[in-house]
Amino acid sequence: GAGVSQSPSNKVTEKGKDVELRCDPISGHTALYWYRQSLGQGLEFLIYFQGNSAPDKSGLPSDRFSAERTGGSVSTLTIQRTQQEDSAVYLCASSLDTPSPLHEQFFGPGTRLTVL
Amino acid sequence: ILNVEQSPQSLHVQEGDSTNFTCSFPSSNFYALHWYRWETAKSPEALFVMTLNGDEKKKGRISATLNTKEGYSYLYIKGSQPEDSATYLCAFNAGGTSYGKLTFGQGTILTVHP
Repeated sequence: GAGVSQSPSNKVTEKGKDVELRCDPISGHTALYWYRQSLGQGLEFLIYFQGNSAPDKSGLPSDRFSAERTGGSVSTLTIQRTQQEDSAVYLCASSLDTPSPLHEQFFGPGTRLTVL
Repeated sequence: ILNVEQSPQSLHVQEGDSTNFTCSFPSSNFYALHWYRWETAKSPEALFVMTLNGDEKKKGRISATLNTKEGYSYLYIKGSQPEDSATYLCAFNAGGTSYGKLTFGQGTILTVHP
């Protein structure tokens, strides 16, 4: 079946603009995760969803970042008033059943965000 | 702040060599350790999920061991091939209130030369 898909694959924006990144998880996967990788850094956890609710938002770097998930499927990550330090690859992953450290995560191809 | 360290940062080997690298993580509040392989221009792909001290897992030429008491995991690749070239990531989960959260190391970049 189809894997995790993300759009757009690349996004270039100007500082101060808002951006929306989209993730379509694998059908039937209840848990959805957002990560980002900034240049020279490791993968950084942002937020995870169980169904439509987000039990852990601790990784969101500031209140300019928000995420939602609707219908237990598609998720959007919104960054308001983008800053240059927001430039990174944003990865989405999903896993079967509830978020569990025992379940492997299936990753999408990522969205490369560049803030000029 | 959880510290997950991987070493070495990068590694160059010749085709046919066997190699290994290390992931260090907090030995307290351990719940699970994941290994992922991330090839250039592709998505990270899960290799192993490990939970028990002394766990040993194998997938083809790749295997991993886990020591939760001292806080480390080793990933081994036997007879490296050029297609093994990738970044290998480990990720730690502390359970509890961090139930769904993985903390990743910086990765080990492996290059296998033909």
